[in-house]
Amino acid sequence: EVQLVESGGGLVKPGGSLRLSCAASGFTFSSYSMNWVRQAPGKGLEWVSSISSSSSYIYYADSVKGRFTISRDNAKNSLYLQMNSLRAEDTAVYYCAKGRYGDYSDAFDIWGQGTMVTVSS
Amino acid sequence: NFMLTQPHSVSESPGKTVTISCTRSSGSIASNYVQWYQQRPGSSPTTVIYEDNQRPSGVPDRFSGSIDSSSNSASLTISGLKTEDEADYYCQSYDSSNRRVVFGGGTKLTVL
Repeated sequence: EVQLVESGGGLVKPGGSLRLSCAASGFTFSSYSMNWVRQAPGKGLEWVSSISSSSSYIYYADSVKGRFTISRDNAKNSLYLQMNSLRAEDTAVYYCAKGRYGDYSDAFDIWGQGTMVTVSS
Repeated sequence: NFMLTQPHSVSESPGKTVTISCTRSSGSIASNYVQWYQQRPGSSPTTVIYEDNQRPSGVPDRFSGSIDSSSNSASLTISGLKTEDEADYYCQSYDSSNRRVVFGGGTKLTVL
């Protein structure tokens, strides 16, 4: 079964850091680009970051550039998101999503269940 | 950079047909494929249409997608509405100039 399972969410103070993980199974992880997409409470979907299959190409939304770092470990079938200098507006459910191609993600075909990140004092 | 604009909400009765629009602010709607995702309350998004008009296996043929270059928009049409179709629907495309994914703001479909 194709599956993405996120973990690492929680409550963090403004200015703090958090590292999210996404464990993939059921497909050849190393062949596909991967992504993080977030959804603030009661709001729509917002693309956060993409990473190509070999980590050669990495892209970020302007809202997180310079604060978040996406990475992957193909040997462990895992995707990560290091979030630093967190702000209240980063509060959201963070989804891991599989891209359709190796070099870039123009769409998503598999989504995880999401992990909640709350930034509050 | 471009934006995708959707109506905030639509409602229709069971058995009827509803169409949700998604208008691209700049550049041609045909430049990059449009996808549509369904998100039921408390659940993750799932794809109902990909590459403008393709249905993933398991999605009923009541769901269809199209693009219209004259209005620079994409549309999701759901026929024979069922109460289970009640959900939020998001259109999504790709900005190949900066390699970024773009989502519409989402449309809440109420089936009453």
